[in-house]
Formats: sequence, structure tokens, C-alpha cells
Amino acid sequence: GAGVSQSPSNKVTEKGKDVELRCDPISGHTALYWYRQRLGQGLEFLIYFQGNSAPDKSGLPSDRFSAERTGESVSTLTIQRTQQEDSAVYLCASRRGGGGNYGYTFGSGTRLTVV
Amino acid sequence: AQSVTQLDSQVPVFEEAPVELRCNYSSSVSVYLFWYVQYPNQGLQLLLKYLSGSTLVKGINGFEAEFNKSQTSFHLRKPSVHISDTAEYFCAVSDRGNTPLVFGKGTRLSVIA
Repeated sequence: GAGVSQSPSNKVTEKGKDVELRCDPISGHTALYWYRQRLGQGLEFLIYFQGNSAPDKSGLPSDRFSAERTGESVSTLTIQRTQQEDSAVYLCASRRGGGGNYGYTFGSGTRLTVV
Repeated sequence: AQSVTQLDSQVPVFEEAPVELRCNYSSSVSVYLFWYVQYPNQGLQLLLKYLSGSTLVKGINGFEAEFNKSQTSFHLRKPSVHISDTAEYFCAVSDRGNTPLVFGKGTRLSVIA
């Protein structure tokens, strides 16, 4: 597609429920990133996929968080047993290649509210 | 690990006045530097980037930034702001490998009529 698409745009869930967030990257972009943006904070790196390499999961805050990506297409971020501190905007970005000289293209994000 | 410091969390400025948003990074090795803008309820949009070469980088919407290696800074400037520039601005740094971008906490620019 023309841009990075994320769904849903908004999600309200009850504490303890599982949620799944989806990201459709730009076609041909081999790198895909998930970031979390809490209110008034910067972007916190969560996980990074590059082609068929093992993902960099170093930013995942707990084992309740996981993500998958099939090849160079859609990615899903799953949060199990959600907690109120998980409330944030979850941003997905894709990049043409693995080199640091390419800028990221971001989606509009999923605003997650845990009540 | 790299870190990015945006010294001002909020910057109010009158319309048509100049503005500078400050950014300092920690790494002393070769880096790529970026500025992103986030308008309300939208994702981040790339304003400009420094990869190599000229230290003065021009971006979209009349913004420019200057890379200063000795001061490890990458401040963003615009000579005359508009109401439409009201947004959150993020500075980010990447090394020259595959590591993810590290972002600052952002500066909220508010342009006052």
C-alpha cells in the first residue's frame, strides 16, 4: 500500500484481557518496527523485524508482549493479560532496507486504553 | 547505549517569530540523525535527516537543522513559524548499522497568533 496501515485505530479493553494489534507495512519494506508512546513520553522501542532474520525483541517490557511477522508482510503485536500501564499509543514503522540511512515511515498508531 | 536529550519539553512562540528546538545525543561514533514531526492524532512524519556531507540539512516546511559533531547536537530551526507548525517534534539517532532509532522525549511547539 501507499503507507503503513495500523488497525484498529482505537481499542478499549478490560484489564486482564488479551489484545492484538495489526500493522501492514509498505510493500517491499523489509524492516518493521513497533514502538510504544505513553502520554507525554517519547517513543519506546519494542521489537524489530528485518527480513527473515530473528527479530530483535530487546525492547519488549515483559513476557506478556509478543509479536509476529510473516515474511515481509503483516505484523501483529499481542499483549496478554493487559494492565493499565499498557495504555499507550502503539506505533508501527517500516523501512526500505536494514541500513540506518533510510528513514522510517510510521503508521497512525493504535491507541490502546486499558480500563 | 545511545540516548537523545531534547532539552525543552514545551516551546511557545509567536507566529512569524524564529524558533530553535534543541537536541543532543550521547554517541560519539558516526551516527545518522533525524527529526520527525507529529501532528495531533497522527503518526510521525520525517522532517529531515543528516546522513553525511554538509552539516546544514534542509527539510520540509522550511525547517533546517545543523549537525555539530563536537557538541553532539542537531538543533532544529525555522526562521518564521506558522500556526500550522504547532505539533510535537522528535529528534532521533541511529548508528550506521541496523539498530533501531532511539528517540528523544519530544518538544511540543505551540505557535501563538
